[in-house]
Amino acid sequence: DGGITQSPKYLFRKEGQNVTLSCEQNLNHDAMYWYRQDPGQGLRLIYYSQIVNDFQKGDIAEGYSVSREKKESFPLTVTSAQKNPTAFYLCASIARPNQPQHFGDGTRLSIL
Amino acid sequence: GESVGLHLPTLSVQEGDNSIINCAYSNSASDYFIWYKQESGKGPQFIIDIRSNMDKRQGQRVTVLLNKTVKHLSLQIAATQPGDSAVYFCAERSRFGNEKLTFGTGTRLTIIP
Repeated sequence: DGGITQSPKYLFRKEGQNVTLSCEQNLNHDAMYWYRQDPGQGLRLIYYSQIVNDFQKGDIAEGYSVSREKKESFPLTVTSAQKNPTAFYLCASIARPNQPQHFGDGTRLSIL
Repeated sequence: GESVGLHLPTLSVQEGDNSIINCAYSNSASDYFIWYKQESGKGPQFIIDIRSNMDKRQGQRVTVLLNKTVKHLSLQIAATQPGDSAVYFCAERSRFGNEKLTFGTGTRLTIIP
């Protein structure tokens, strides 16, 4: 089945540690997005990429980094500079402009 | 700044009744709106969308209404079922925004059996 796969489902980070969240899609979508969701809140955009080897900062990019070396993959690294990383992280992709974004089932990140 | 918000954070509806979830937006440049449903521990699921050149769009048991004059969006769910219990988000896209979406805070809909 085509879709967006996020892994792991749960992730724990130690102080000073960088962690990487995986997002893979087999939908042949060009654009991909990373969002952060805090309890009782809407989604906030971290980074997005409209094409391979190109990406832009969203509204809350500080403390995060991304890469887009392949069309299917858009990994997100939560660096030690992100002081409040505990959240639900969602990856999305879009087939073409004027279409809705489709989401993976998220990764829940917590601090040890 | 621009924002997308919801009038009610929670809504309880009797099973079989209709429900209406409301959303206000403030960006006059928004030209595309989407409703998502999110169940606990899962990603948002697309329900229905509407473009700014439309006032109404219907799907299976759902209808979205757009009032551009007062910048208001609503989602109507007919004959609610227990499986409709979830958090519902509206999202808007600015025609100048590179497909970036701005999300509201969500409304939790609970269906009472």
